[in-house]
Amino acid sequence: EVHLVESGGGLVQPGGSLTLSCAASAFTFSSHAMSWVRQVPGKGLDWVSAISASGDSTYHADSVTGRFTISRDNSKNTLYLQMNSLSAEDTAVYYCVKGQYTPRGGYYFDYWGQGTLVTVSS
Amino acid sequence: EVVTTQSPATLSVSPGERVIFSCRTSQTVSSDLAWYQQRPGQSPRLLIYDASARATGIPARFSGSGSGTEFTLTISSLQSEDFAVYYCQQYNNWPWTFGQGTKVEIK
Repeated sequence: EVHLVESGGGLVQPGGSLTLSCAASAFTFSSHAMSWVRQVPGKGLDWVSAISASGDSTYHADSVTGRFTISRDNSKNTLYLQMNSLSAEDTAVYYCVKGQYTPRGGYYFDYWGQGTLVTVSS
Repeated sequence: EVVTTQSPATLSVSPGERVIFSCRTSQTVSSDLAWYQQRPGQSPRLLIYDASARATGIPARFSGSGSGTEFTLTISSLQSEDFAVYYCQQYNNWPWTFGQGTKVEIK
């Protein structure tokens, strides 16, 4: 069974930085695109960032472009999200999500981690 | 950006009833639409992809239909474990966008 385990969440002050990690297992990590999706507690889902299987291509939502960086280490089966210049609006549970490509080039999210909470507050 | 809209926000349903969820997109997304279930305190789980294909392990009481801009998710007979929030997501146009969710409550 696919297993995704996030870590690195916690309390950070406004303007601060945090790096999230996601350890993946039970599938060929290097063959699949990955994403981060966040959810403000009690609210809906919001896609944040995506990275291709090789790591050559990355994509970010407008709300985090220039502040967040997604990366991966295929030798360690690990996905990362470097978050800088954090604000209260970034407070959310961050999910690591495995992507499944479709022939038309889009992809849906077929497996989700349990999430890690990031709280931005002074 | 494609705006993805779900209705209604909340459904009050009795166990055993048929439930139909609606999802609309602001522009055509072909059949590039997925549905997810999120039970209280849990991560989302993929139910349906490509508008009508059931994901691995999803019971046959869940079915999806639609194409273009209008989509539905149907639960043929609601079970106790189906009380949850349901989200649709389009993946035809970048950036991928989710609907705001429909919560199913016990009537």
